[in-house]
Amino acid sequence: EDQVTQSPEALRLQEGESSSLNCSYTVSGLRGLFWYRQDPGKGPEFLFTLYSAGEEKEKERLKATLTKKESFLHITAPKPEDSATYLCAVQGGAQKLVFGQGTRLTINP
Amino acid sequence: NAGVTQTPKFRILKIGQSMTLQCTQDMNHNYMYWYRQDPGMGLKLIYYSVGAGITDKGEVPNGYNVSRSTTEDFPLRLELAAPSQTSVYFCASSYGSWGLGGANVLTFGAGSRLTVL
Repeated sequence: EDQVTQSPEALRLQEGESSSLNCSYTVSGLRGLFWYRQDPGKGPEFLFTLYSAGEEKEKERLKATLTKKESFLHITAPKPEDSATYLCAVQGGAQKLVFGQGTRLTINP
Repeated sequence: NAGVTQTPKFRILKIGQSMTLQCTQDMNHNYMYWYRQDPGMGLKLIYYSVGAGITDKGEVPNGYNVSRSTTEDFPLRLELAAPSQTSVYFCASSYGSWGLGGANVLTFGAGSRLTVL
């Protein structure tokens, strides 16, 4: 059974304080690992897809990396507008997405 | 371009009542999905559809029904509402289910918050 575990559940940072969010996964035949951002009261919004170990993708202050067992979402010099819940999901051989429970990130000014 | 539109945004039901959550997309996506999101839990797939006239169960289908008569619309029916169905429901769509070109990237609606009392 495909599984995704995200840590920490919640993270509070000061503006400019860099950190990383973790997504550990087990999947049969990885077809893609996805990161989504979800603002309060809204639906998740797509950030990145990673397909194979060693792959990296960047967008503004965010960089996602992938190994065979986990993915990291690195946030560099975050701003208050980066505050959101970040969701990780994997797609395996069954082709259905399995989501983690999310990490709630708060950036204090 | 509206994307994925869900109605209603909020609804309170009494135990045993029935209702339909509406979802429509204007991106000509083939795949549509219904998820529920509970506090501290990941999104759970209720039902999905790969095209008009074709639907299938996800992880947590009990107590729900769906239909897909058109490419654009994918309503979710709750029969005999129970407190366990209190949740936030998200409809999503994608062009495909798999592909390096991003065919399987989901576009989500804004959600429908349902409370069953």
